[in-house]
Amino acid sequence: AQKVTQAQTEISVVEKEDVTLDCVYETRDTTYYLFWYKQPPSGELVFLIRRNSFDEQNEISGRYSWNFQKSTSSFNFTITASQVVDSAVYFCALSEARGNNRLAFGKGNQVVVIP
Amino acid sequence: NAGVTQTPKFQVLKTGQSMTLQCAQDMNHNSMYWYRQDPGMGLRLIHYSVGAGITDQGEVPNGYNVSRSTTEDFPLRLLSAAPSQTSVYFCASSYSGLAGTRREQYFGPGTRLTVT
Repeated sequence: AQKVTQAQTEISVVEKEDVTLDCVYETRDTTYYLFWYKQPPSGELVFLIRRNSFDEQNEISGRYSWNFQKSTSSFNFTITASQVVDSAVYFCALSEARGNNRLAFGKGNQVVVIP
Repeated sequence: NAGVTQTPKFQVLKTGQSMTLQCAQDMNHNSMYWYRQDPGMGLRLIHYSVGAGITDQGEVPNGYNVSRSTTEDFPLRLLSAAPSQTSVYFCASSYSGLAGTRREQYFGPGTRLTVT
């Protein structure tokens, strides 16, 4: 069964600090996909990134970066130089290739950026 | 291109009432999903569909019914509302490839449901 764990529930940072969100996953599949979504206070869910299990290349997109390590089953997300607009709940999710694209979500990290 | 739309945005029901949450997508996605979001629980899958005429249960299907008569629409029916169904409901859609390729899911704006 697929499972995603986001241990930190709420993280507060001062504006311009970096913040890293941890995501640990469990799956028996050798082929799977990992995702990060952002949910701002307005409530919608915004897709940020998708990674498949064969692609461990880490990625940077603007102030966002992702660190995927199969050896530790982790897919961590870092916001560099945080801004108030980054205040949101961030969800990590997993989809197994055999699972009809069912997403298993972690419980989310509430990020509060203090100006 | 509206993406995924949901109606209504807010709804208050009394225990025992029934209603249908509407969901539509215009991206020609084959797969659609219903999730509920409760505080501290993340999102949990209620029902999903991989194509017209095909539906299946997710983690928390009890008390809900779905059908998929067209590619575009995927309504969620609450048969007899209970206070435990107070939640925010999200509909999502995605493309699921035959070879197991998984694309990101796109979410609607959500429906906030309160059952008293």
